[in-house]
Amino acid sequence: GAGVSQSPRYKVAKRGQDVALRCDPISGHVSLFWYQQALGQGPEFLTYFQNEAQLDKSGLPSDRFFAERPEGSVSTLKIQRTQQEDSAVYLCASSPRQGTNTGELFFGEGSRLTVL
Amino acid sequence: GENVEQHPSTLSVQEGDSAVIKCTYSDSASNYFPWYKQELGKRPQLIIDIRSNVGEKKDQRIAVTLNKTAKHFSLHITETQPEDSAVYFCAASSQTGANNLFFGTGTRLTVIP
Repeated sequence: GAGVSQSPRYKVAKRGQDVALRCDPISGHVSLFWYQQALGQGPEFLTYFQNEAQLDKSGLPSDRFFAERPEGSVSTLKIQRTQQEDSAVYLCASSPRQGTNTGELFFGEGSRLTVL
Repeated sequence: GENVEQHPSTLSVQEGDSAVIKCTYSDSASNYFPWYKQELGKRPQLIIDIRSNVGEKKDQRIAVTLNKTAKHFSLHITETQPEDSAVYFCAASSQTGANNLFFGTGTRLTVIP
Protein backbone atom coordinates (compact mmCIF):
# COMPACT_ATOMS: atom_id res chain seq x y z
CA GLY A 1 0.00 0.00 0.00
CA ALA A 2 0.96 3.64 -0.25
CA GLY A 3 0.54 4.54 3.41
CA VAL A 4 2.61 4.08 6.56
CA SER A 5 2.33 0.53 7.77
CA GLN A 6 2.88 -0.62 11.34
CA SER A 7 3.06 -4.09 12.84
CA PRO A 8 1.89 -5.69 14.94
CA ARG A 9 -1.37 -3.79 15.30
CA TYR A 10 -1.92 -5.31 18.73
CA LYS A 11 0.62 -6.72 21.15
CA VAL A 12 0.04 -8.14 24.62
CA ALA A 13 3.17 -8.62 26.70
CA LYS A 14 3.80 -9.84 30.18
CA ARG A 15 5.63 -7.43 32.41
CA GLY A 16 9.36 -7.85 31.92
CA GLN A 17 9.15 -9.09 28.32
CA ASP A 18 10.88 -7.34 25.44
CA VAL A 19 8.82 -6.13 22.47
CA ALA A 20 9.68 -4.87 19.00
CA LEU A 21 7.37 -2.66 16.95
CA ARG A 22 7.92 -2.17 13.24
CA CYS A 23 7.22 0.79 11.00
CA ASP A 24 7.29 0.82 7.20
CA PRO A 25 7.18 4.48 6.14
CA ILE A 26 6.04 5.78 2.79
CA SER A 27 8.75 5.03 0.25
CA GLY A 28 11.21 7.87 -0.16
CA HIS A 29 10.19 9.72 2.97
CA VAL A 30 13.19 11.31 4.64
CA SER A 31 11.78 11.87 8.11
CA LEU A 32 10.42 9.26 10.47
CA PHE A 33 8.93 9.91 13.88
CA TRP A 34 7.75 7.72 16.73
CA TYR A 35 5.03 8.95 19.08
CA GLN A 36 3.43 7.41 22.17
CA GLN A 37 -0.30 7.95 22.64
CA ALA A 38 -1.77 7.08 26.02
CA LEU A 39 -5.51 6.50 26.28
CA GLY A 40 -7.41 9.75 25.94
CA GLN A 41 -4.28 11.80 25.33
CA GLY A 42 -2.54 13.41 22.40
CA PRO A 43 0.49 11.81 20.79
CA GLU A 44 3.78 12.51 22.60
CA PHE A 45 7.08 12.64 20.76
CA LEU A 46 9.57 9.85 21.31
CA THR A 47 12.23 10.09 18.63
CA TYR A 48 13.06 11.41 15.15
CA PHE A 49 15.11 10.02 12.27
CA GLN A 50 16.33 11.86 9.22
CA ASN A 51 17.17 9.02 6.86
CA GLU A 52 19.23 6.58 8.96
CA ALA A 53 20.42 9.20 11.47
CA GLN A 54 18.62 9.44 14.78
CA LEU A 55 18.73 13.20 15.26
CA ASP A 56 16.54 13.48 18.32
CA LYS A 57 15.74 10.92 20.98
CA SER A 58 14.85 13.36 23.71
CA GLY A 59 11.35 11.94 24.12
CA LEU A 60 12.35 8.37 24.90
CA PRO A 61 11.15 7.89 28.50
CA SER A 62 13.97 5.63 29.67
CA ASP A 63 16.95 3.63 28.49
CA ARG A 64 14.61 0.66 28.08
CA PHE A 65 13.40 2.30 24.86
CA PHE A 66 15.54 2.00 21.76
CA ALA A 67 14.81 2.85 18.13
CA GLU A 68 16.71 2.23 14.93
CA ARG A 69 16.39 2.85 11.21
CA PRO A 70 19.56 1.25 9.85
CA GLU A 71 18.96 1.70 6.13
CA GLY A 72 16.92 4.86 6.25
CA SER A 73 13.64 3.09 5.53
CA VAL A 74 12.04 0.59 7.94
CA SER A 75 12.28 1.50 11.62
CA THR A 76 11.96 -0.61 14.74
CA LEU A 77 11.07 0.61 18.21
CA LYS A 78 12.22 -1.80 20.88
CA ILE A 79 11.10 -1.74 24.48
CA GLN A 80 13.03 -3.86 26.93
CA ARG A 81 11.69 -5.24 30.21
CA THR A 82 8.22 -3.81 29.57
CA GLN A 83 6.30 -2.28 32.43
CA GLN A 84 2.59 -1.54 32.81
CA GLU A 85 3.12 2.17 32.24
CA ASP A 86 4.42 1.34 28.76
CA SER A 87 0.87 0.37 27.74
CA ALA A 88 -0.12 2.78 24.97
CA VAL A 89 -0.55 3.10 21.23
CA TYR A 90 2.78 3.66 19.48
CA LEU A 91 2.37 5.75 16.35
CA CYS A 92 4.87 6.03 13.56
CA ALA A 93 4.77 8.96 11.14
CA SER A 94 6.80 9.86 8.08
CA SER A 95 7.30 12.94 5.97
CA PRO A 96 9.05 13.70 2.67
CA ARG A 97 10.58 16.79 4.30
CA GLN A 98 12.88 17.45 7.22
CA GLY A 99 11.43 18.31 10.61
CA THR A 100 7.86 18.78 11.78
CA ASN A 101 7.14 22.37 10.84
CA THR A 102 7.44 21.83 7.12
CA GLY A 103 4.13 20.16 6.45
CA GLU A 104 1.99 17.11 6.92
CA LEU A 105 3.07 14.07 8.88
CA PHE A 106 1.65 10.82 7.52
CA PHE A 107 0.75 8.54 10.40
CA GLY A 108 0.39 4.80 10.58
CA GLU A 109 -2.55 3.22 12.40
CA GLY A 110 -0.37 2.46 15.39
CA SER A 111 0.65 -0.53 17.44
CA ARG A 112 -1.42 -0.95 20.59
CA LEU A 113 0.76 -2.38 23.36
CA THR A 114 -0.84 -3.81 26.49
CA VAL A 115 1.48 -4.88 29.29
CA LEU A 116 -0.07 -7.20 31.84
CA GLY B 1 9.52 23.32 25.99
CA GLU B 2 6.22 23.98 24.27
CA ASN B 3 2.96 23.40 26.15
CA VAL B 4 -0.25 23.13 24.11
CA GLU B 5 -3.60 23.26 25.88
CA GLN B 6 -6.85 22.36 24.15
CA HIS B 7 -10.49 23.00 25.07
CA PRO B 8 -13.07 21.63 25.35
CA SER B 9 -12.23 17.98 25.86
CA THR B 10 -15.67 16.93 24.59
CA LEU B 11 -18.13 18.76 22.37
CA SER B 12 -21.58 17.74 21.16
CA VAL B 13 -23.40 19.69 18.48
CA GLN B 14 -26.52 19.19 16.40
CA GLU B 15 -25.99 18.37 12.77
CA GLY B 16 -25.77 21.60 10.80
CA ASP B 17 -24.49 23.66 13.72
CA SER B 18 -20.96 25.02 14.03
CA ALA B 19 -18.21 23.66 16.26
CA VAL B 20 -15.26 25.59 17.66
CA ILE B 21 -12.18 24.10 19.31
CA LYS B 22 -9.58 26.32 20.94
CA CYS B 23 -5.89 25.83 21.69
CA THR B 24 -3.23 27.89 23.40
CA TYR B 25 0.52 27.50 23.17
CA SER B 26 3.38 28.76 25.29
CA ASP B 27 6.43 29.03 23.01
CA SER B 28 6.46 32.31 21.09
CA ALA B 29 8.89 30.68 18.62
CA SER B 30 6.19 28.26 17.43
CA ASN B 31 5.35 29.03 13.82
CA TYR B 32 3.41 26.06 12.45
CA PHE B 33 0.02 24.91 13.72
CA PRO B 34 -1.61 21.83 12.20
CA TRP B 35 -4.90 20.19 13.13
CA TYR B 36 -5.31 16.42 12.95
CA LYS B 37 -8.52 14.39 12.93
CA GLN B 38 -8.49 10.91 14.41
CA GLU B 39 -11.49 8.63 13.98
CA LEU B 40 -11.91 5.80 16.44
CA GLY B 41 -9.14 3.25 15.98
CA LYS B 42 -7.76 5.07 12.95
CA ARG B 43 -4.64 7.04 12.21
CA PRO B 44 -4.47 10.82 12.78
CA GLN B 45 -4.89 12.70 9.51
CA LEU B 46 -4.10 16.31 8.76
CA ILE B 47 -7.19 18.37 8.00
CA ILE B 48 -5.78 21.90 7.92
CA ASP B 49 -2.70 23.80 9.01
CA ILE B 50 -1.64 27.42 9.38
CA ARG B 51 1.67 29.22 9.59
CA SER B 52 2.40 32.20 11.77
CA ASN B 53 2.59 34.62 8.87
CA VAL B 54 -1.18 34.43 8.31
CA GLY B 55 -4.12 35.00 10.63
CA GLU B 56 -6.75 32.81 9.03
CA LYS B 57 -7.04 29.95 6.58
CA LYS B 58 -10.17 28.35 5.19
CA ASP B 59 -10.86 25.10 3.36
CA GLN B 60 -14.54 24.55 2.55
CA ARG B 61 -16.33 23.99 5.88
CA ILE B 62 -13.15 24.14 7.95
CA ALA B 63 -11.27 27.26 9.02
CA VAL B 64 -8.43 27.97 11.40
CA THR B 65 -7.62 31.31 13.02
CA LEU B 66 -4.38 32.30 14.71
CA ASN B 67 -3.70 35.08 17.19
CA LYS B 68 0.07 35.27 17.65
CA THR B 69 -0.09 38.01 20.26
CA ALA B 70 -2.38 36.00 22.50
CA LYS B 71 -0.75 32.71 21.48
CA HIS B 72 -3.97 30.95 20.65
CA PHE B 73 -5.49 29.33 17.59
CA SER B 74 -8.89 27.86 16.89
CA LEU B 75 -10.56 25.36 14.58
CA HIS B 76 -13.98 26.23 13.21
CA ILE B 77 -16.21 23.64 11.53
CA THR B 78 -19.40 24.94 9.95
CA GLU B 79 -22.48 22.99 8.83
CA THR B 80 -21.33 19.97 10.81
CA GLN B 81 -22.15 16.48 9.54
CA PRO B 82 -22.19 13.13 11.36
CA GLU B 83 -18.95 12.14 9.59
CA ASP B 84 -17.22 15.04 11.36
CA SER B 85 -17.53 13.04 14.60
CA ALA B 86 -13.97 12.22 15.70
CA VAL B 87 -11.20 13.35 18.03
CA TYR B 88 -9.47 16.52 16.88
CA PHE B 89 -5.91 17.39 17.95
CA CYS B 90 -4.23 20.74 17.63
CA ALA B 91 -0.44 20.89 17.52
CA ALA B 92 2.40 23.37 17.44
CA SER B 93 5.95 23.26 16.13
CA SER B 94 8.79 25.73 15.90
CA GLN B 95 11.95 25.96 13.88
CA THR B 96 13.97 25.78 17.06
CA GLY B 97 12.28 22.52 18.01
CA ALA B 98 11.65 21.40 14.49
CA ASN B 99 11.85 17.72 15.30
CA ASN B 100 8.97 17.80 17.72
CA LEU B 101 5.30 18.41 17.09
CA PHE B 102 3.57 19.17 20.41
CA PHE B 103 -0.01 17.96 20.49
CA GLY B 104 -2.95 19.08 22.60
CA THR B 105 -4.93 16.52 24.56
CA GLY B 106 -7.70 16.29 22.00
CA THR B 107 -11.37 17.20 21.64
CA ARG B 108 -13.95 14.49 21.08
CA LEU B 109 -16.56 15.97 18.75
CA THR B 110 -19.93 14.28 18.44
CA VAL B 111 -22.35 15.48 15.78
CA ILE B 112 -25.88 14.46 16.63
CA PRO B 113 -28.02 13.68 13.56
